[in-house]
Amino acid sequence: AQSVTQLGSHVSVSEGALVLLRCNYSSSVPPYLFWYVQYPNQGLQLLLKYTSAATLVKGINGFEAEFKKSETSFHLTKPSAHMSDAAEYFCAVSDPMFSGGYNKLIFGAGTRLAVHP
Amino acid sequence: EPEVTQTPSHQVTQMGQEVILRCVPISNHLYFYWYRQILGQKVEFLVSFYNNEISEKSEIFDDQFSVERPDGSNFTLKIRSTKLEDSAMYFCASTGQLSGNTIYFGEGSWLTVV
Repeated sequence: AQSVTQLGSHVSVSEGALVLLRCNYSSSVPPYLFWYVQYPNQGLQLLLKYTSAATLVKGINGFEAEFKKSETSFHLTKPSAHMSDAAEYFCAVSDPMFSGGYNKLIFGAGTRLAVHP
Repeated sequence: EPEVTQTPSHQVTQMGQEVILRCVPISNHLYFYWYRQILGQKVEFLVSFYNNEISEKSEIFDDQFSVERPDGSNFTLKIRSTKLEDSAMYFCASTGQLSGNTIYFGEGSWLTVV
């Protein structure tokens, strides 16, 4: 069964500092991986996705993530945090081999990012 | 940009009442989903729907829940007799061949059972 572990339920950084949100996955097959962001009282917005092409994936708002098969990781980074990055971030995995078509997403518990001046 | 729309954005209902949450998936998408997020917890898969039938459902999706695509555009989630523990944000999502494996989510319907 697939699963996602996000280390750190809360991460706090200073404005301008590096953002690193950790995600490790468990999957019996090479998975598809996603990062979604949820701003307060809003829905889930896709930041970026890995679907077996380039291992370094660039997303919106300056975020990027690197798929490392040897470490079963897909950590999210941003070189310089902005106040507007404060939100909840969810890592998710899906099984591309699912015979039924487009498989469901399995989400991690989420990491709340706080950015302080 | 096309988006998934959900109504209502917020509903308060009494325990034991039936609730219907509505969703309009992105046009041309063929795969539909409902997820829920209890306050402070992770987003959980409830059900997926394709070709007018459920393709997969989770343990959460018991006999109290049902889904329907009544008219080719709407996708609904019905909770027959709500319980306090059904209070959550419910997200509708959709995807299709042209979406490149991306599942698009709506803004959510916040259900409060009192």
